[in-house]
Amino acid sequence: DTAVSQTPKYLVTQMGNDKSIKCEQNLGHDTMYWYKQDSKKFLKIMFSYNNKELIINETVPNRFSPKSPDKAHLNLHINSLELGDSAVYFCASSQDRAGFGYTFGSGTRLTVV
Amino acid sequence: GENVEQHPSTLSVQEGDSAVIKCTYSDSASNYFPWYKQELGKRPQLIIDIRSNVGEKKDQRIAVTLNKTAKHFSLHITETQPEDSAVYFCAGTDSWGKLQFGAGTQVVVTP
Repeated sequence: DTAVSQTPKYLVTQMGNDKSIKCEQNLGHDTMYWYKQDSKKFLKIMFSYNNKELIINETVPNRFSPKSPDKAHLNLHINSLELGDSAVYFCASSQDRAGFGYTFGSGTRLTVV
Repeated sequence: GENVEQHPSTLSVQEGDSAVIKCTYSDSASNYFPWYKQELGKRPQLIIDIRSNVGEKKDQRIAVTLNKTAKHFSLHITETQPEDSAVYFCAGTDSWGKLQFGAGTQVVVTP
């Protein structure tokens, strides 16, 4: 069983489109995150939810909107995609908001053309 | 907020030699310091972690040391092997669970 699973694995789309990435964890963790990894490999946190409540919201364009229907799921919706949104997006979860036991999903490679 | 700096950005070692990666952090409230290994095209995977009440932790060929006073921590890999080649990230997390990553170190182990 995959602990943190994301779909899709690859996403190629045109500028201006709207797309969603889904994430699910079966670890029973309370906290979930979205990270963006750019071409230089830098990992930057975007959002964090604890028991469906938004606790971290970094400086991210409001075209990015996370949604957590329950504590096992955290989806990311992106409106009006731009070329600069091309990156690998990783979902992660941890046991609690103290950050122990961080586990990453396999990533979604988003390419905007 | 936390700021984590990592050095070097690239590290080339001969197989069998040791590799050391160093990180510093800024937030004295940081209490958890994991290290991740990311192979090409794969997810970052936790390889070892240390909490702020511990000074050193070892797991086979990997060890991490933490100096809270100086706010720095290091990863040591002994007897390096080609499969150790990857990007390694240090990170520090504050009490809010915000994990701040270093910029990564590309380790290349040459046979």
